[in-house]
Amino acid sequence: RKEVEQDPGPFNVPEGATVAFNCTYSNSASQSFFWYRQDCRKEPKLLMSVYSSGNEDGRFTAQLNRASQYISLLIRDSKLSDSATYLCVVNRDNYGQNFVFGPGTRLSVLP
Amino acid sequence: GAVVSQHPSWVICKSGTSVKIECRSLDFQATTMFWYRQFPKQSLMLMATSNEGSKATYEQGVEKDKFLINHASLTLSTLTVTSAHPEDSSFYICSANHPRMREAEWNEQFFGPGTRLTVL
Repeated sequence: RKEVEQDPGPFNVPEGATVAFNCTYSNSASQSFFWYRQDCRKEPKLLMSVYSSGNEDGRFTAQLNRASQYISLLIRDSKLSDSATYLCVVNRDNYGQNFVFGPGTRLSVLP
Repeated sequence: GAVVSQHPSWVICKSGTSVKIECRSLDFQATTMFWYRQFPKQSLMLMATSNEGSKATYEQGVEKDKFLINHASLTLSTLTVTSAHPEDSSFYICSANHPRMREAEWNEQFFGPGTRLTVL
């Protein structure tokens, strides 16, 4: 089993739709969690950190359930520019030294 | 956010040659940098952790004699792919830890733009 797993995708949604991505991790000692987005042939860019209490940044909401080892990302009112691959990232330790990337879920927002 | 650069952005070389990729933190000092590799339609896989002034730590299955890492200063790490072969063709990305203080963001990694290596 992979350490970080994500919805296989791809997700093709119309503009304005709400879409949710799921991620699970197997290492219960994991300390911090992130969502990154990666555009084709580009480097990953941090979208948001995921806090235990859940957090929201504009149209994006991230949730963490440590008991279930589950992370989610919700995108509301999707825009064409949201089309990208979304990477769930788990940090194994507290020092930022040990990132494990999920395989990514590709999103295409269609006009 | 913090800026990490990589050079070159792409390189094509013949099989058997060595290729050096540079990773620089432009506006902060990074005692630790990371080298990742990404094959098409796959996620990033950590290859090694580069520590300034000491030996790099390699992930299991990554040959340290083939992928030479040097982190001679607080702003520069280099990855040399020695005797490159077609199977080494990949997207190589470096990242650096930015020392922030906010909870859960203090260990954020900033990524360079990547280097696309094609070995013929």
